[in-house]
Amino acid sequence: EDQVTQSPEALRLQEGESSSLNCSYTVSGLRGLFWYRQDPGKGPEFLFTLYSAGEEKEKERLKATLTKKESFLHITAPKPEDSATYLCAVRNNNNDMRFGAGTRLTVKP
Amino acid sequence: GAVVSQHPSWVICKSGTSVKIECRSLDFQATTMFWYRQFPKQSLMLMATSNEGSKATYEQGVEKDKFLINHASLTLSTLTVTSAHPEDSSFYICSASDRVQPQHFGDGTRLSIL
Repeated sequence: EDQVTQSPEALRLQEGESSSLNCSYTVSGLRGLFWYRQDPGKGPEFLFTLYSAGEEKEKERLKATLTKKESFLHITAPKPEDSATYLCAVRNNNNDMRFGAGTRLTVKP
Repeated sequence: GAVVSQHPSWVICKSGTSVKIECRSLDFQATTMFWYRQFPKQSLMLMATSNEGSKATYEQGVEKDKFLINHASLTLSTLTVTSAHPEDSSFYICSASDRVQPQHFGDGTRLSIL
């Protein structure tokens, strides 16, 4: 069975304090690993898709990387507006998606 | 702009009534739409997957007679919570995909049953 485990469950950073969020996965035939951002009371907002080990994607202060077992979402010099829950999901070769429980990020000014 | 529109965003109703939630794909033809339920501080729980023109596939433990899903067109899916009770109160989120694009999510519907 496909599994997605995100860590840490919650992360509190000072503004400007860079860090990384982890997404470990096992999947039957990876057809994409996805990162989403979810603000309270809103639906998830798509950030990145990664398809193969070694791939990297960047958007503003965020950079996502992928290996055969895990993905990292690196946040460089975060700002308070980066506070949100970050969700990781994998799609398998049946096109089924499985989401992790998310990491709740709080960036304090 | 929004790729998936979900309506209404908030519903409060009495126990025993039925509630319909709409999910529209605005920018692409969604061959597949997904319905999720989310409890506070928890991740998304997939309820059902619906392909346009066919019956929805429900996840284990989800009552198909209680949560009626219709996906009559490539841009619209509806979820009807029938005879809703307080335990059905939750945040319901839809998403749409054409199986090539990543899932794009609506902004969710907060359902409160009194």
